[in-house]
Amino acid sequence: GENVEQHPSTLSVQEGDSAVIKCTYSDSASNYFPWYKQELGKGPQLIIDIRSNVGEKKDQRIAVTLNKTAKHFSLHITETQPEDSAVYFCAASRSGSARQLTFGSGTQLTVLP
Amino acid sequence: KAGVTQTPRYLIKTRGQQVTLSCSPISGHRSVSWYQQTPGQGLQFLFEYFSETQRNKGNFPGRFSGRQFSNSRSEMNVSTLELGDSALYLCASSLEQGIGEQFFGPGTRLTVL
Repeated sequence: GENVEQHPSTLSVQEGDSAVIKCTYSDSASNYFPWYKQELGKGPQLIIDIRSNVGEKKDQRIAVTLNKTAKHFSLHITETQPEDSAVYFCAASRSGSARQLTFGSGTQLTVLP
Repeated sequence: KAGVTQTPRYLIKTRGQQVTLSCSPISGHRSVSWYQQTPGQGLQFLFEYFSETQRNKGNFPGRFSGRQFSNSRSEMNVSTLELGDSALYLCASSLEQGIGEQFFGPGTRLTVL
């Protein structure tokens, strides 16, 4: 089955700096890659996603890049703010598996004021 | 539009008991998936329901079961509870089967004593 590895497990940045979180996946048939943000006491919130026919997607301060050949994808957050502090999860799934997302282990991002 | 709701938010049970958790998806969403989140294993897929039929099942014992009603609401049941079943149980809904965004509820925190 699919295996998703996520690095780093913790990340501290100064407010205003950029943060990058990386994930690799094992199943070459995976074609949907969402990123979730989870705040304490809440469920994961979808913040951005990318499909395998796209190499990059951006939404304001958040961007995701996908390298299908290397089977890795990354989340980039620019101009970080204290409210960006949370746990971020990457995930992967493939057609036909519907909602079976395989998640990475999560990254605790702390933005220091 | 109201988000995914889960009830109850917190539960305390003892070993050997059974428990039923409920999930109401976003209005119009027909697919409901369940995930277990623990510090040690992370986010793991339990099962997915679409139009009252289980479409996919993760690698969990038969003590974990679920169902979906005609109004798309879903319940999951865990019988003969074990200490290791203590976790946050998350429900996610999506518009239809196939690749697409999944939206998570706040989860039910289950503690087994």
